[in-house]
Amino acid sequence: EVQLLESGGGLVQPGGSLRLSCTASGFTFSGSAMSWVRQAPGKGLEWVSDISGFGGSTKFADSVKGRFTISRDTSKNMLFLQMNSLSAEDTAVYYCARITVFGVGQRGMDVWGQGTTVTVSS
Amino acid sequence: DIQMTQSPSSLSASVGDRVTITCRASQSINTFLNWYQQKPGKAPKLLIYAASSLQSGVPSRFSGSGSGTDYTLTISSLQPEDFATYYCQQSYSTPGWTFGQGTKVEIK
Repeated sequence: EVQLLESGGGLVQPGGSLRLSCTASGFTFSGSAMSWVRQAPGKGLEWVSDISGFGGSTKFADSVKGRFTISRDTSKNMLFLQMNSLSAEDTAVYYCARITVFGVGQRGMDVWGQGTTVTVSS
Repeated sequence: DIQMTQSPSSLSASVGDRVTITCRASQSINTFLNWYQQKPGKAPKLLIYAASSLQSGVPSRFSGSGSGTDYTLTISSLQPEDFATYYCQQSYSTPGWTFGQGTKVEIK
């Protein structure tokens, strides 16, 4: 079964750091670009970051650029999101998702984890 | 950055109704448009990619259309399990993806 499982969320104080993990199974992880998407309480979906299949290319939303880093360990089928200098605005459910290319440049997020909750509060 | 605007923000409909949700991009996105369904407390689910292609396993009552800046998601006959929030997403521009603000489909 194709599956993604996030972990690492929790309560953190403003200015603190947290590292999220996403464990993939049931597909060839090394060949898949991956993404992090977040959803603040009661709000819509916000793309956070992407990483290419072999980790050579990363992209970030302006809202997290310079504070978040994305990485992957293909030997362990794991994706990571290191979050530093956290503020209340980063409070959200964080989802990892697989990016699939459907052809002619078309891409979509076709597999999602269940999400992990990050709460930034003193 | 490309902005995505969905309408309506919410709608009430009955089982069996035909439902249409629209999504407008701030510039042409050349059918680089996906639709997702999200139920409360659950992760989003990909329904439609490339504006009109049905993702594997998604019921055929879901369909997508559009080009340029304007796109539509249609549910031909609303079923009880379709009550959810729907999001459009553009994959045309880099570095990032942009989602619409969502359309909540509620039971009338």
